[in-house]
Amino acid sequence: SQELEQSPQSLIVQEGKNLTINCTSSKTLYGLYWYKQKYGEGLIFLMMLQKGGEEKSHEKITAKLDEKKQQSSLHITASQPSHAGIYLCGADIGAGTASKLTFGTGTRLQVTL
Amino acid sequence: EAQVTQNPRYLITVTGKKLTVTCSQNMNHEYMSWYRQDPGLGLRQIYYSMNVEVTDKGDVPEGYKVSRKEKRNFPLILESPSPNQTSLYFCASSGWTGAEETQYFGPGTRLLVL
Repeated sequence: SQELEQSPQSLIVQEGKNLTINCTSSKTLYGLYWYKQKYGEGLIFLMMLQKGGEEKSHEKITAKLDEKKQQSSLHITASQPSHAGIYLCGADIGAGTASKLTFGTGTRLQVTL
Repeated sequence: EAQVTQNPRYLITVTGKKLTVTCSQNMNHEYMSWYRQDPGLGLRQIYYSMNVEVTDKGDVPEGYKVSRKEKRNFPLILESPSPNQTSLYFCASSGWTGAEETQYFGPGTRLLVL
């Protein structure tokens, strides 16, 4: 079974709408990383969360870590076509760095006009 | 400009013909990793390195070798490629600035093994 589950698997939203993507781990999280990927291209690192309750923002994207639930949520406010892509979460499940990560299978986001 | 470069970007080869995919970073990062990405399986780690001459297996190391002789380079070697190694490969490096860790990924190498 997947150690990191992302939901939803895909999402279509109208431009200007808000959306949330969740990433849930079956193991203790020591760090949670969020990335964005355009189809077939390299990943772009968005942010890293380490402590329970930590919340970070990158432009209109906010992510929060719930340590107790072993879950992180990524929230996009007022979505734009430029937000379209695949969002991946990655988890450090013991190494203490991004050098050893396990990844979710991604959430494909489409933003319609 | 901070970047991770990979070469080649695209490669078609035949079963059994040794190949090397190079990876280089210009940020003096200690940590580097290799991943493969396959439909339905997501991104999986092949090998990682925490410093020069320090490498370790990721989740799918079979059929691959790596070396880390210098900090900036982390080549991925397929001694005898097989069709099940057809994939999209990414190299990444990560480092710390104060309490913040950041990662950079290369643009990817698309490999087809016939």
